[in-house]
Amino acid sequence: EVQLVESGGGLVQPGGSLKLSCAASGFTFSGSAMHWVRQASGKGLEWVGRIRSKANSYATAYAASVKGRFTISRDDSKNTAYLQMNSLKTEDTAVYYCTRRVTMVRGVIIPNYYYYMDVWGKGTTVTVSS
Amino acid sequence: DIQMTQSPSSLSASVGDRVTITCRASQSISSYLNWYQQKPGKAPKLLIYAASSLQSGVPSRFSGSGSGTDFTLTISSLQPEDFATYYCQQSYSTPVTFGQGTRLEIK
Repeated sequence: EVQLVESGGGLVQPGGSLKLSCAASGFTFSGSAMHWVRQASGKGLEWVGRIRSKANSYATAYAASVKGRFTISRDDSKNTAYLQMNSLKTEDTAVYYCTRRVTMVRGVIIPNYYYYMDVWGKGTTVTVSS
Repeated sequence: DIQMTQSPSSLSASVGDRVTITCRASQSISSYLNWYQQKPGKAPKLLIYAASSLQSGVPSRFSGSGSGTDFTLTISSLQPEDFATYYCQQSYSTPVTFGQGTRLEIK
């Protein structure tokens, strides 16, 4: 069974740090790009960032709201992705989901690459409060 | 960044109704558009990818269409389990962006 399990959430004071983990199973983790998406209570989905595979140089990208404070990494030997969150703000309070990104290629002569998030973890809650 | 705008923000409908949700991108995104369903307290679930491809296991009453800037998600005959919030998401460029969501409620 394809599965993602997040952990590491909790209560942290403003300015503090927290590291989330996302343990993957049931698929070839090393070949997959992984994303983090968050959702504040009663609000919509907000993309946090992503890390690509080794074949794509583990390239990372971040939302402007977290750039410079959050870092995404991965350990393919442990089938785990991480989200290191520093300088946390009250507005970072949310449920954090990790997701697997799938790449679908259409077309042969001129290939088009379609990306979508097909597997999601159940999420872990981060609360930033004094 | 590409802005995604869904309409309506909320919708009341009855079991058996045909429902359409619209998503508009602030610039052309070709067919790089995905739809997700989220129920309270649960993670989002992929319904449609590449604007019109049905994810495996998703009932055929769900369909997607559109290209460029305008997209629709249609539920042909609402079932009780379809009452949820729906999000569109563009994968044309980074950063990935989502629509604000459409809450589908029981009339």
